[in-house]
Amino acid sequence: AQSVSQHNHHVILSEAASLELGCNYSYGGTVNLFWYVQYPGQHLQLLLKYFSGDPLVKGIKGFEAEFIKSKFSFNLRKPSVQWSDTAEYFCAVNPTGGGNKLTFGTGTQLKVEL
Amino acid sequence: GAVVSQHPSRVICKSGTSVKIECRSLDFQATTMFWYRQFPKQSLMLMATSNEGSKATYEQGVEKDKFLINHASLTLSTLTVTSAHPEDSSFYICSAFTGTYEQYFGPGTRLTVT
Repeated sequence: AQSVSQHNHHVILSEAASLELGCNYSYGGTVNLFWYVQYPGQHLQLLLKYFSGDPLVKGIKGFEAEFIKSKFSFNLRKPSVQWSDTAEYFCAVNPTGGGNKLTFGTGTQLKVEL
Repeated sequence: GAVVSQHPSRVICKSGTSVKIECRSLDFQATTMFWYRQFPKQSLMLMATSNEGSKATYEQGVEKDKFLINHASLTLSTLTVTSAHPEDSSFYICSAFTGTYEQYFGPGTRLTVT
């Protein structure tokens, strides 16, 4: 069965700092990749997704992620974080042809300090 | 954007009773809905896939007789936790699949069994 690893469980940054959250998956076939965000008290929202094509994908709110197939990675980045980015971030994987099921990573709690 | 609602948002019940949680897609039809369970400080674990008009598909280790799923229409799926026990206390989240590889998540239901 596939698994998703997020190595950073808690990240604390100051405003304007750059962000990179790691995500690695274990699955040998073709995958669709997602990053979701959960703001305090709110439901999960899609930040960005990768299905095929350009491995550098841009999402909402200035986030981007790069798919590196050789490393089985899909790291999330933002050049300059804001206090409002404080949230929990989840990486998720869906094997192509896997019935649209998502396997989630354990999540990274990001706190941005003023 | 696509909106998914859940009702109730919180429920407290006594051990041995049953609880029904509703998941509705408000502005789109969803042939497939997913039910997840989220433990504190942990990731979302897929419990089952709910398909309109057919039986739900449960993930390994999920008791189908305990977690009854009914997807009676293209906009409504229900999860009934039967004979609930304190270990069933958790955060239950549903998502609806739009057919474009995207899932839209509900706000979740906090179940506490006393």
